[in-house]
Amino acid sequence: QQPVQSPQAVILREGEDAVINCSSSKALYSVHWYRQKHGEAPVFLMILLKGGEQMRHEKISASFNEKKQQSSLYLTASQLSYSGTYFCGTVGSARQLTFGSGTQLTVLP
Amino acid sequence: EPEVTQTPSHQVTQMGQEVILRCVPISNHLYFYWYRQILGQKVEFLVSFYNNEISEKSEIFDDQFSVERPDGSNFTLKIRSTKLEDSAMYFCASSRDYPTKGLAGNEQFFGPGTRLTVL
Repeated sequence: QQPVQSPQAVILREGEDAVINCSSSKALYSVHWYRQKHGEAPVFLMILLKGGEQMRHEKISASFNEKKQQSSLYLTASQLSYSGTYFCGTVGSARQLTFGSGTQLTVLP
Repeated sequence: EPEVTQTPSHQVTQMGQEVILRCVPISNHLYFYWYRQILGQKVEFLVSFYNNEISEKSEIFDDQFSVERPDGSNFTLKIRSTKLEDSAMYFCASSRDYPTKGLAGNEQFFGPGTRLTVL
């Protein structure tokens, strides 16, 4: 069952912050975050494991709430290069990476 | 920096024809994956492969699909008789370790993709 991402789309000005959420109805082992720019492959950002710490990639950080089976991606002081579609991927008992439908982030100058 | 490579970058085929998509995973990675992405949609898992056999596969990965590691470097996806709905971007990925293992080595690195167009 695929995770649910919200919001579907975000438009920001450079320097603003954003939060993207990813939730699952099933118990998760890990959550993976990827960014995909138009016409390109998904690029790995970070993994969050059950019981693990909050992770950080440059000014992007993420957390994983095991009780809620929810992960959030925090983009701080967004840059133009942050524009793209953000996918969360979840790994549960099925041991396969199942992606959400994505959140399209647009950062304007 | 090592990367996953895929060939061809674009494949056009007639419905009913067989296609083989090729991938060269990162050399010290042990786990290989195929995903597909229909234009404008999410990335969908097809299959994972380890130690010369399929580890997991999705319901999309039916009898029309097969995977193979014909030598020490290539990893291929074959679609036996293509349908119009097989038109998509196909991504190969590899990881050093399996998704349910520990943090280091868990991440999957994606190749640039092969755009398959079925006419």
